[in-house]
Order: sequence, then structure tokens, then C-alpha cells
Amino acid sequence: NAGVTQTPKFQVLKTGQSMTLQCAQDMNHNSMYWYRQDPGMGLRLIYYSASEGTTDKGEVPNGYNVSRLNKREFSLRLESAAPSQTSVYFCASSEQRTPTFGSGTRLTVV
Amino acid sequence: DAKTTQPPSMDCAEGRAANLPCNHSTISGNEYVYWYRQIHSQGPQYIIHGLKNNETNEMASLIITEDRKSSTLILPHATLRDTAVYYCIVRGDTGRRALTFGSGTRLQVQP
Repeated sequence: NAGVTQTPKFQVLKTGQSMTLQCAQDMNHNSMYWYRQDPGMGLRLIYYSASEGTTDKGEVPNGYNVSRLNKREFSLRLESAAPSQTSVYFCASSEQRTPTFGSGTRLTVV
Repeated sequence: DAKTTQPPSMDCAEGRAANLPCNHSTISGNEYVYWYRQIHSQGPQYIIHGLKNNETNEMASLIITEDRKSSTLILPHATLRDTAVYYCIVRGDTGRRALTFGSGTRLQVQP
């Protein structure tokens, strides 16, 4: 099993550009999450989806949108990237208590 | 979810037990204690979780005090590959299932 797959692994954007980070899980989990991690910090929740068709804001949702495309896929969109969004982005999924994390997308906005 | 307090960093000699403490004095009755670790910049990896009783798996042991206000993660024979940031997280079992990460403890295993 692949678990949680994130694409791309690395991305450099110019300020104002848009992009979508993709996340897919093959564990048939209902819940999915997007976190960001800035250097030397813990992870902060951006958005989550408790089940297919639902999404909710987390701690730091400003500047982001999400789509729960189906049970497997949960995408994160930056409409107009800003340098403050330079970070490592992690997707996770869970069914009961212990989320499984992807390997991350390292995003740099210049 | 209850707040947790962990030391920012710890050292451990290779082959020795690593004991990582966590304080969660405001924990409530239905809240679990979870431990994750993050090696370098990889995604966090689940280690163990518990409610009241001590727990053990192939990776570690979790010791929770009787009053549940603190816990200790024990890596019985630390190796260099255990060098990582360890996060202690407390979360209830109802409502949103997202985990809230603090700053964690950076464990450095020394050869």
C-alpha cells in the first residue's frame, strides 16, 4: 500500500501564481487533513475534511482553498501565492484515532 | 484538547533507554495521549497512544501516571535512527479528529 501520496514533492512559485497541491490516500479513510510546517515549528492545521463532501477550516485557513474530490483525494489550492506561504505542506488521513501522514510538499514562494 | 508541555531537547546515548516526558495537567477523562515523531523533514510517524493504562508496542512503551497528568515515552534501546522530534499530543475522541502539534522534544541520540 502506498498510504498517503502527495504531489509534487517540491515546487517553486512566483508571488501571485496559483497552484494546487494534490493528496491521495488508498486506505479508505473518511477523514483527511492539510497541515503546514514552517521552519522550527510544529504542524498547523489548514483545513480538514471529516468525510467526503465536507470541509472545515483549521487554525490557519487564510489564503487557501480545498476540495474533497472523492473519498480518496483532497486537494489544497493557493489562488495567489505569497512569500508567507513558503512552507512544507503535509496531508494526512485517518479513520479512527491515528492519522497517517504523507511525505510532504516543500513549497517556496519567491 | 488539553495543552501539553515537553522539554525542547534531550540527548541520549546509543543503546540506552530514552525517556521522553510530557506534562498534560489539564487532561480530561476522555482524552487520549498520542506520540508521534518526525525524522528530519519527513511526515510525522505514529508511535503509540493510550488512555489510562500503560501501553507497549514494537516501537516504544507509554507510561501514563495514575492521575493522568503526565506521561513518559520510552524507547528501550535508542539507535541513531531514533534521532527525531517527538510530539506528545492530547486529544479527545469525539468531534474533529485532527491532531494539534506543539513544538515537541528534539531527541539527539549520541554514538
